[in-house]
Amino acid sequence: GENVEQHPSTLSVQEGDSAVIKCTYSDSASNYFPWYKQELGKRPQLIIDIRSNVGEKKDQRIAVTLNKTAKHFSLHITETQPEDSAVYFCAASDSWGKLQFGAGTQVVVTP
Amino acid sequence: DAGVIQSPRHEVTEMGQEVTLRCKPISGHDYLFWYRQTMMRGLELLIYFNNNVPIDDSGMPEDRFSAKMPNASFSTLKIQPSEPRDSAVYFCASGSAGVGKETQYFGPGTRLLVL
Repeated sequence: GENVEQHPSTLSVQEGDSAVIKCTYSDSASNYFPWYKQELGKRPQLIIDIRSNVGEKKDQRIAVTLNKTAKHFSLHITETQPEDSAVYFCAASDSWGKLQFGAGTQVVVTP
Repeated sequence: DAGVIQSPRHEVTEMGQEVTLRCKPISGHDYLFWYRQTMMRGLELLIYFNNNVPIDDSGMPEDRFSAKMPNASFSTLKIQPSEPRDSAVYFCASGSAGVGKETQYFGPGTRLLVL
């Protein structure tokens, strides 16, 4: 089955700086890669996703890049703000359409 | 437009008791997923349904866990008997084949504590 690895496990950034989270996946048939943000005690919320026919997607301060050849994808947050502090999960959809989640990255944005 | 609804939001029970978690998916969604989240194991898919039919239950940890979806707007996850190691947050999520079943929207979760 699909295996997703996510790095780093924790990330501390100064407000205004950029944050980058990287994920790798194992199943070359995977074709959908969402990112979820989870604040403490809350539900995971979909913030951006990308499908395998696209190399990059951007939504305001958030962007995701995908390298299918290398089987890795990344989340980029620019101009970070304190409200960006949360746990971020990447995921990959395996050939059966099930999502396999990474272990999560705790992002802390310090003012 | 209401999102995924789960009840109860919190449940505290004693070991050996039966626990039933409930989920109402987003109206019109034809996929429903049950997840469990713990610090040790992260987010794990337990089971998912398509058009009320269980498609993959390979993530269900053992026979103490069962799930049903009697209609398009309701699903239950039952644990009988419950054990302390079942303590976790249980999320229900729904998706639609129309926009790609992989696009899943999570409910608020049920925080379960088994004493």
